[in-house]
Amino acid sequence: GQNIDQPTEMTATEGAIVQINCTYQTSGFNGLFWYQQHAGEAPTFLSYNVLDGLEEKGRFSSFLSRSKGYSYLLLKELQMKDSASYLCAVRDRDYKLSFGAGTTVTVRA
Amino acid sequence: ETGVTQTPRHLVMGMTNKKSLKCEQHLGHNAMYWYKQSAKKPLELMFVYSLEERVENNSVPSRFSPECPNSSHLFLHLHTLQPEDSALYLCASSPGGEVKTQYFGPGTRLLVL
Repeated sequence: GQNIDQPTEMTATEGAIVQINCTYQTSGFNGLFWYQQHAGEAPTFLSYNVLDGLEEKGRFSSFLSRSKGYSYLLLKELQMKDSASYLCAVRDRDYKLSFGAGTTVTVRA
Repeated sequence: ETGVTQTPRHLVMGMTNKKSLKCEQHLGHNAMYWYKQSAKKPLELMFVYSLEERVENNSVPSRFSPECPNSSHLFLHLHTLQPEDSALYLCASSPGGEVKTQYFGPGTRLLVL
């Protein structure tokens, strides 16, 4: 099974950078996903890491260290619309996703 | 618009009612999923269908009954639910291939009275 931990809440100022950490323990790692979920809406796919290192997509980047069971999602140049819940999900060898409880990010003006 | 639709978006039902949730995906994917999302808790995987066959049933109570008539449609039939079943029910689909990213529908907000 999977045990996934991420902070419950984070607050940052518009234009700033925020880093959301995710640690996991898994019986068979086969990829890590980050999703964004606005209140009352569907989770939307942000990033996928399966090898160690940094994946960059515009203002969002995701990092993975498999040996440490650790990932982070980096949000740069924060905008008000980035206020949302960010979900870390780990996939096992059977392609099942296990989710963390999510980190609620609040962006203040 | 993610290509996955769910109806109804909101549902209120009594404990003796029978209702069904519907999910439809327009992405040509071959796997579909039901998740339960309760407040402040991780998404819980309920059922997985791959090529219309159920491949996962995570010890879900029998009052939840899934049905997958074809690769584009997924139903969740609800019968004699409990108040603790009130939650957001999310449907997702994924393609074949190595990454198999899951794409979610908007969910059905269910309240059981």
